Amino acid sequence: DGGITQSPKYLFRKEGQNVTLSCEQNLNHDAMYWYRQDPGQGLRLIYYSQIVNDFQKGDIAEGYSVSREKKESFPLTVTSAQKNPTAFYLCASSAFAGDVVGYTFGSGTRLTVV
Amino acid sequence: KNQVEQSPQSLIILEGKNCTLQCNYTVSPFSNLRWYKQDTGRGPVSLTIMTFSENTKSNGRYTATLDADTKQSSLHITASQLSDSASYICVVSALDGGGTSYGKLTFGQGTILTVHP
Repeated sequence: DGGITQSPKYLFRKEGQNVTLSCEQNLNHDAMYWYRQDPGQGLRLIYYSQIVNDFQKGDIAEGYSVSREKKESFPLTVTSAQKNPTAFYLCASSAFAGDVVGYTFGSGTRLTVV
Repeated sequence: KNQVEQSPQSLIILEGKNCTLQCNYTVSPFSNLRWYKQDTGRGPVSLTIMTFSENTKSNGRYTATLDADTKQSSLHITASQLSDSASYICVVSALDGGGTSYGKLTFGQGTILTVHP
């Protein structure tokens, strides 16, 4: 079955550590996205990539970094510079930037700083 | 600034009853509006997508309406079931300068629906 896989489902990080969240898709989609979800707030865009080896900052990119070396993979690193990293992180993909019908979300990673 | 506001923030209904969720937006220029269902701890799943020219769309017991003039949308759930308990998110995308949607979305904060037996 085609889809987006995020791992791990739960992640715990000590303060001051970097951590990387995985996002893999087998939908042959060009565009991929990372969102952050906090209680009572709408999803906020962290980074997006319209094509391999290219990515752009979203609305809240500070303290995060990404890479897009392969079409299937778009990992997100939460660095120690992110002051409030505890949140639910969602990865999404679409056939191309602007694709309406094929926008698909992963099942999310819950990151907790301990 | 593009914004999407949903109401109510939360709603509790009894199984079998109907309910309507509201979404107001200020996204411009408008491209499309989507309703998603998000179960706790899971990713959102698309229910409906509507473009400017569409004013109603159904998906089983879910019916979405769109009034592009007043920039309002509603999601009506008929004969609710326990499995309808979830967060419902309204998402609006804008056209870029070239007249095509560039895929960046504005999300509402969601309405948390709880269906009790």
